[in-house]
Amino acid sequence: DQQVKQNSPSLSVQEGRISILNCDYTNSMFDYFLWYKKYPAEGPTFLISISSIKDKNEDGRFTVFLNKSAKHLSLHIVPSQPGDSAVYFCAATPNFGNEKLTFGTGTRLTIIP
Amino acid sequence: DTAVSQTPKYLVTQMGNDKSIKCEQNLGHDTMYWYKQDSKKFLKIMFSYNNKELIINETVPNRFSPKSPDKAHLNLHINSLELGDSAVYFCASSQGAGRTSDTQYFGPGTRLTVL
Repeated sequence: DQQVKQNSPSLSVQEGRISILNCDYTNSMFDYFLWYKKYPAEGPTFLISISSIKDKNEDGRFTVFLNKSAKHLSLHIVPSQPGDSAVYFCAATPNFGNEKLTFGTGTRLTIIP
Repeated sequence: DTAVSQTPKYLVTQMGNDKSIKCEQNLGHDTMYWYKQDSKKFLKIMFSYNNKELIINETVPNRFSPKSPDKAHLNLHINSLELGDSAVYFCASSQGAGRTSDTQYFGPGTRLTVL
């Protein structure tokens, strides 16, 4: 039962353009969402998060958008840089108690110089 | 200084063996986790400990036993290894009592291969 889905296993974007990574979820109890970035041979690192009381959160070049009615979130990176090439994981959790994160399977982003 | 470290980085072993993976964090965090990333790239939580006490225990075989000698360490011992245990195991830690808003910091992973 895959409650968090990242349907694009890979994405290639030209340097300087916008990268858009998508994530869908099925569990209506989820209301806190995170994006993690992972380089080869390293563990995931936290990138940005959003609570369901917001529909947008921005941090520098990274913006996460949440559409709760569609159970969809997206991560925008603009402008994309070569160092952004990595695997991006979407994660979700109910925002109460000691709840575990449920991760998607990741999208491999490649930035083309 | 590595914030969350795991040893070994690679582990190749035969079916039926018993092995341990060690994790240490020097961030002063109260909560530590073990995750498993299988061949389909699903990253799933297995356990979490807060101040040496178990707070999340997912449905994993009881061949897997976490041990937390102190809040900076969370080791994972696996008995009678099976082929399906082959995966990358990630340790993570977070400040506080494992609240969802606490950022989790991950180790580099241990790639376990069972032959």
